[in-house]
Amino acid sequence: GQNIDQPTEMTATEGAIVQINCTYQTSGFNGLFWYQQHAGEAPTFLSYNVLDGLEEKGRFSSFLSRSKGYSYLLLKELQMKDSASYLCAVFGDYKLSFGAGTTVTVRA
Amino acid sequence: EPEVTQTPSHQVTQMGQEVILRCVPISNHLYFYWYRQILGQKVEFLVSFYNNEISEKSEIFDDQFSVERPDGSNFTLKIRSTKLEDSAMYFCATRLAGANEQFFGPGTRLTVL
Repeated sequence: GQNIDQPTEMTATEGAIVQINCTYQTSGFNGLFWYQQHAGEAPTFLSYNVLDGLEEKGRFSSFLSRSKGYSYLLLKELQMKDSASYLCAVFGDYKLSFGAGTTVTVRA
Repeated sequence: EPEVTQTPSHQVTQMGQEVILRCVPISNHLYFYWYRQILGQKVEFLVSFYNNEISEKSEIFDDQFSVERPDGSNFTLKIRSTKLEDSAMYFCATRLAGANEQFFGPGTRLTVL
């Protein structure tokens, strides 16, 4: 089975940094994805990790440790438009399995 | 930039009726997926489809559900006899062969009354 855990909610101030953790236990693993989802909209791709280490993409970075079943998404220089749900998802067995999502609220 | 499109954007139906949700994948993508998201809940995998066959399906994807690619472009999800609990956003996603990123369509909001 698939078990993917991430915090439900996080709040941060504009300009700050937030780290969203994700732990997973899955039957298959071919990579870990982070998606951003605004309310009522489709998930949009942020990052992909298949090897251990840090992937940096502008203000967003993602880290993976396969031995620990752990990933995090780091959002830097937070902007109001970053208020959204962030979904951790594991690709394995031909499908993406999603966590419940972390709702990030950015305050002015 | 090419994108996945879905029609209709909203569908309201009566319980027991059949619905067909349509997706037009990005033109050179070969792997197709359906996901659903019940309001306030997580995105759930329904089915994956490649080379005109189902690759994998979840427990949710029971005999009431079917998928096909009738004309080589559209990718459809049919629910034969809708139930109240089928009310959700249904997302189509597609990807290139050899790539990892799945591109999601904007979704169809299905409401079963």
